[in-house]
Amino acid sequence: SAVISQKPSRDICQRGTSLTIQCQVDSQVTMMFWYRQQPGQSLTLIATANQGSEATYESGFVIDKFPISRPNLTFSTLTVSNMSPEDSSIYLCSVGWRDNQPQHFGDGTRLSIL
Amino acid sequence: AQSVSQHNHHVILSEAASLELGCNYSYGGTVNLFWYVQYPGQHLQLLLKYFSGDPLVKGIKGFEAEFIKSKFSFNLRKPSVQWSDTAEYFCAVNPYNFNKFYFGSGTKLNVKP
Repeated sequence: SAVISQKPSRDICQRGTSLTIQCQVDSQVTMMFWYRQQPGQSLTLIATANQGSEATYESGFVIDKFPISRPNLTFSTLTVSNMSPEDSSIYLCSVGWRDNQPQHFGDGTRLSIL
Repeated sequence: AQSVSQHNHHVILSEAASLELGCNYSYGGTVNLFWYVQYPGQHLQLLLKYFSGDPLVKGIKGFEAEFIKSKFSFNLRKPSVQWSDTAEYFCAVNPYNFNKFYFGSGTKLNVKP
């Protein structure tokens, strides 16, 4: 397994602003993912963060709203842009080493938009 | 689209009671199956996993789960719960050779001492 650190752990933001969430892993990982968990709902995959290339987004999520960077094998960022109250959620980073193997999760970032 | 259903949203048990949490999924092909647990204030942790073979799998802390292919189910069980099992439990399905996980909405378990 690995130690996965997410920053910030929580934040309260104003409508229309943007926030960047960081995910740092203490070892190199093949795959990094970003999920959203809205209140009372399941975890939903936003995108797969690809090292050195553009992220792969799931249906319903777009790069303009959720730009993602992954400059190396241990670090990724997710930006939530032009936030609205509907973006209030927990955002989770997860990592994996091989296909079809368990993913490991960070502590999440609890985001509230006023 | 694939879906994962956890029918029990909130379960309250007394210590030593038996636990069974339901999980059903809609994907028709080969799947890998997981249960994750999130203790209060902690991150999601893997509880157990099923890839192939014996459909009854054992995980940490006395938990087990049974894969019933004909019912598309992967229910989590524990014969005797403890107060420390109070947590939220998530079922996850990973279609084979498909690098995505689909999660259920979670079940909050509250064990009364």
